[in-house]
Amino acid sequence: DSGVTQTPKHLITATGQRVTLRCSPRSGDLSVYWYQQSLDQGLQFLIQYYNGEERAKGNILERFSAQQFPDLHSELNLSSLELGDSALYFCASSEFGPGSRMDTQYFGPGTRLTVL
Amino acid sequence: AQSVTQLGSHVSVSEGALVLLRCNYSSSVPPYLFWYVQYPNQGLQLLLKYTSAATLVKGINGFEAEFKKSETSFHLTKPSAHMSDAAEYFCAVQGTGANNLFFGTGTRLTVIP
Repeated sequence: DSGVTQTPKHLITATGQRVTLRCSPRSGDLSVYWYQQSLDQGLQFLIQYYNGEERAKGNILERFSAQQFPDLHSELNLSSLELGDSALYFCASSEFGPGSRMDTQYFGPGTRLTVL
Repeated sequence: AQSVTQLGSHVSVSEGALVLLRCNYSSSVPPYLFWYVQYPNQGLQLLLKYTSAATLVKGINGFEAEFKKSETSFHLTKPSAHMSDAAEYFCAVQGTGANNLFFGTGTRLTVIP
């Protein structure tokens, strides 16, 4: 158990809908990262938050957004869902912020999103 | 820019045999490298990490990896495979700005009894 929790574990929805994925980082970790794992794209970095602020963006679609709340939990919002958004979405947390080379990311169990 | 390449999407070994999973990296700065394992229907678990302290890194479950700058490699090994090692293994390099990880395409390890 990494200490990172994600809910829900599974999510099935229809095209065009909007969903919210939730992540609680390990106690004391200030950084939260979101990754997408799909068969065709592999594991890709989406976005990072550090202590409530967005710090980096990767291959995140404009239909997707995220935020980190004062209690440090994070939510990833996916809207206007398409079939191709079906994937496993992972959250990871780490103690340090951007620029710290000593950072180690610990991953949650993931949320499996199926868009029908 | 940072990237890793994993050679071999599938590797099969017999139980008790040597496990060798290959990873080559590309990095504009001294890299920080990681190996993660993903068991079926589970998240990613950190096996080991290289942060320039020592070239031979020991991880959990008997795995180790050796950083070779001259070969730009960070191969993962285990002397004797166990059935419980069957999983997908990912090599990753840390980015220099946001610290996000750049993952390889993964290697699925099958252990034959």
